[in-house]
Amino acid sequence: QKEVEQNSGPLSVPEGAIASLNCTYSDRVSQSFFWYRQYSGKSPELIMSIYSNGDKEDGRFTAQLNKASQYVSLLIRDSQPSDSATYLCAAEGNQFYFGTGTSLTVIP
Amino acid sequence: KAGVTQTPRYLIKTRGQQVTLSCSPISGHRSVSWYQQTPGQGLQFLFEYFSETQRNKGNFPGRFSGRQFSNSRSEMNVSTLELGDSALYLCASSWTSAQETQYFGPGTRLLVL
Repeated sequence: QKEVEQNSGPLSVPEGAIASLNCTYSDRVSQSFFWYRQYSGKSPELIMSIYSNGDKEDGRFTAQLNKASQYVSLLIRDSQPSDSATYLCAAEGNQFYFGTGTSLTVIP
Repeated sequence: KAGVTQTPRYLIKTRGQQVTLSCSPISGHRSVSWYQQTPGQGLQFLFEYFSETQRNKGNFPGRFSGRQFSNSRSEMNVSTLELGDSALYLCASSWTSAQETQYFGPGTRLLVL
């Protein structure tokens, strides 16, 4: 099993809907998890980090961490066309591990 | 505060050549990590430097090497280029550790012909 795994998608949602992005992780990573957004042709930019079990909200974004299930997710409420990008899940281990990313398209 | 900068932004080389990429971290950041990004493999960790020392290394052949200078600027070198080395090379900096939040530069897109 890879350290961090994501469903590559693509995921399409209509504008205004909730987009749900999921990530699972292995025992080789520890307690810090990150979501990055990468627009086509650009470098990744940090959206959120989460360290504790439960939910963490920042504007339209909510990160959820479930350590028992080794699962972390990102919810984007009121999705906008500008949210169309690839979302990368990352986790801390003896290095930084990234998932392969989920491509999200928000349809106007 | 200026972000992470990388030069050059684009590079075309032929097989067998070597290439050097440069990265200047955010001011005050002392950890610099390098990643290779390809459509098939995603973001793969190459190595991390801190205080001019390689602190961690990913699973890449010895053709890939790097170094860090006293001002935290870092260079990455790839020798004997192969077609499969065509990728986006990203540099990321953080305060003290690659396990912290990392901030990425714009990347260097390398094409090997």
